[in-house]
Amino acid sequence: EDKVVQSPLSLVVHEGDTVTLNCSYEVTNFRSLLWYKQEKKAPTFLFMLTSSGIEKKSGRLSSILDKKELFSILNITATQTGDSAIYLCAVASSGTYKYIFGTGTRLKVLA
Amino acid sequence: DTAVSQTPKYLVTQMGNDKSIKCEQNLGHDTMYWYKQDSKKFLKIMFSYNNKELIINETVPNRFSPKSPDKAHLNLHINSLELGDSAVYFCASSQGLSASPLHFGNGTRLTVT
Repeated sequence: EDKVVQSPLSLVVHEGDTVTLNCSYEVTNFRSLLWYKQEKKAPTFLFMLTSSGIEKKSGRLSSILDKKELFSILNITATQTGDSAIYLCAVASSGTYKYIFGTGTRLKVLA
Repeated sequence: DTAVSQTPKYLVTQMGNDKSIKCEQNLGHDTMYWYKQDSKKFLKIMFSYNNKELIINETVPNRFSPKSPDKAHLNLHINSLELGDSAVYFCASSQGLSASPLHFGNGTRLTVT
């Protein structure tokens, strides 16, 4: 059965810290891996990764995919209180057309 | 100019009632989805339509019936509501079949009492 596992489940850090969030997956017919940030309402899209070893970067956030070891990491440097959210990882399957979500990592950044 | 919009935002109703949630997207996407997010924030796929054709139908009770009148709209009707149906329901859309990022609506928080 396809699955996506995220770790840690929750994390509390102080402003300025760097955090690394993990996502591992077992999916048939892998197409892409996506990261989302969810605050109070809808998940908002951060990155889509399709190729191993190519880092995607947006400001203080970056992500990379390892298709051999079947995982991805999301890094956030110099964290701010506005980074407090649930970070969701999803994997898209070209076989089933599904986007399968992990349970999320709840990040809290303290001032 | 909201890309994926759902109505209503909140729905409080009693067990046994029937209710509907509507979703519209103006992104020109051809695929739409319904996800259920439980109290632990786990997002689970329920249904997906591609160009008005049902392509994903997960193990969801028959009380849930999606309907897509055109590729910009996907509605969800729920019959005989139960306590366990309480959750946040998200509509989403994408271009192509799992080929591009999902864009989510703001969700409908359903509370069944």
